[in-house]
Amino acid sequence: DAGITQSPRHKVTETGTPVTLRCHQTENHRYMYWYRQDPGHGLRLIHYSYGVKDTDKGEVSDGYSVSRSKTEDFLLTLESATSSQTSVYFCAISDTGGNTIYFGEGSWLTVV
Amino acid sequence: GDSVTQMEGPVTLSEEAFLTINCTYTATGYPSLFWYVQYPGEGLQLLLKATKADDKGSNKGFEATYRKETTSFHLEKGSVQVSDSAVYFCALYGQNFVFGPGTRLSVLP
Repeated sequence: DAGITQSPRHKVTETGTPVTLRCHQTENHRYMYWYRQDPGHGLRLIHYSYGVKDTDKGEVSDGYSVSRSKTEDFLLTLESATSSQTSVYFCAISDTGGNTIYFGEGSWLTVV
Repeated sequence: GDSVTQMEGPVTLSEEAFLTINCTYTATGYPSLFWYVQYPGEGLQLLLKATKADDKGSNKGFEATYRKETTSFHLEKGSVQVSDSAVYFCALYGQNFVFGPGTRLSVLP
């Protein structure tokens, strides 16, 4: 199994509060991704990173920001959580842009 | 842009039945193709992959062949087990990763 740890695994938060999800990898892979998974929408890319301090937007980036200050850590921040951001969030990594992508176990976020 | 189409299911089979989950894709060039499996409460796990035309990926009794002429990568297994119950995602990498919507498989004893 790829060494990917997501934290927290489960979180309930109130609307309007900031939330940060953390992804930590031990594989030294260059690329890191944040996806959200929702019924009827499948997997959707939020943001990705292709190196330390190098990030770019995915298809559903509004309301989210990311940071990568170290190779091993990729943080996803919801500046002001909304109920529409209730979802399961998956971190993923790959060593090159086109090679196999490996997923973490997921973070279940509920915004009430 | 690139896209992946797969039967959404749910697919319900009896144990030891033959499984086919269809996957077709649209992409420029020669993408790599993947099947991932997701068990309840877990992340996606790589099941198999193929990187060029006519390649066959296989793992745990599952197989899929990269068919360039039909732009397909259908997943097959000769005899499913209850433990194969999961959601299966077809995916490609061309310019970036693109995932299909997933197919839920339920195998009944």
